[in-house]
Parts: sequence; structure tokens; C-alpha cells
Amino acid sequence: GEDVEQSLFLSVREGDSSVINCTYTDSSSTYLYWYKQEPGAGLQLLTYIFSNMDMKQDQRLTVLLNKKDKHLSLRIADTQTGDSAIYFCAKSGGKLIFGQGTELSVKP
Amino acid sequence: DAGVIQSPRHEVTEMGQEVTLRCKPISGHNSLFWYRQTMMRGLELLIYFNNNVPIDDSGMPEDRFSAKMPNASFSTLKIQPSEPRDSAVYFCASSLGARLAGGGDTQYFGPGTRLTVL
Repeated sequence: GEDVEQSLFLSVREGDSSVINCTYTDSSSTYLYWYKQEPGAGLQLLTYIFSNMDMKQDQRLTVLLNKKDKHLSLRIADTQTGDSAIYFCAKSGGKLIFGQGTELSVKP
Repeated sequence: DAGVIQSPRHEVTEMGQEVTLRCKPISGHNSLFWYRQTMMRGLELLIYFNNNVPIDDSGMPEDRFSAKMPNASFSTLKIQPSEPRDSAVYFCASSLGARLAGGGDTQYFGPGTRLTVL
């Protein structure tokens, strides 16, 4: 069946880069997404990448897609305390299949 | 654009009571999704609609849960009777629902309804 996996926790120091990883089992998706959820809030779309792309950059965010290994990553440059949140990857297919979320903790 | 609107934002009720959660999707979006989020189970898709028609309700936990979409701008999720294990945050999301170049599957989430059943 369809599955999306993420590690549950990541801790970094302010100013460092963060890399959040995601793997998936089904490669038929058209789009892959990254959402951010701050405490007490809904999921906010951060960025998405089309499946025929390898990389997409948007300011401090870089998304890398390795279709062969079915691996997606989100790199946040110069991580700030305001980046502390849960990050979800998701793959498309009519409905979205979400990973469990990675809780990013940024320490000053 | 107001985004996806959900009401109420918080609901506290007693076991056995009926609970109705409401959602207004983004205007022009054709697909609407109801999710439940708990610490134990994470984010679960309960049901989704396309053009007001339920497409997949396999995530609805049991017969106590029902969802309707009477028109393109309104949906409800009802729990009757409610139980303490239904306590969770319920999210509504909407999308264009078409395979467009800009990511037609992209879902936009509401702020959620935090439900507590005592």
C-alpha cells in the first residue's frame, strides 16, 4: 500500500541548516508537498515539487527529490527559532498521503 | 481570500451529545477533505468530497460519524453520540481538485476545531 515515512524528531541550533527527510513507497505521485504546523494551528503549505523535478529552491527552503530512491528532503538554511514546528511531507494522488510529521526543535 | 473557515474553533461537550463541526472551503475549490489529528494516531483522513459528492469515506471511524456537503460552499461533520475517544483536532481542507500545472491537488487547511468530549 501507499506509505510515507519521516523521522519523528530533529533538533538543531539557531543559524545551522536543518534537513528533514521523507521516504515514500509509491512513485506514481505527480506532486510532493511540505507542510508546516505550528502549535495550535492548522497545516500551512510551505512548498511543493513536481515529480519530474530534482530540486526546487524558495528563499531559505530547498527541496530535493530523488525519484530513484523515493526520497524527498527539505533543507532550511539559517534555521531560526520561529522555524520550530512539525513538518509534514505528503504525496499526491487525488487525496494526499501524509507522513507522521517531524518535530523540529531549534535551540538558541 | 479568507482561506478555509471552520467553526467552532473549540468545542467542549459531554459524552452522548451530538457534535456538529462546520467548514467553508475556499471559493472555487472543488474538493473538500475532513481530517482528524491526535497524538496517538497522527493525521487521519476521514472523508473527502469532489464536487459535493463523497468520494472516499473509508477513514470514517464508525456509524457515529457522518459528513455532508449540501453545496459547494459548506460542509458539516457530525458525531452522534460523541464519546471521549473522539477528542481530537478536526481539520477541514480544500483544493482545486484538478490535475493542473500549478498543483491542483494542493490542499489548504483551516485552523481546525479542537473537540473535547468529557
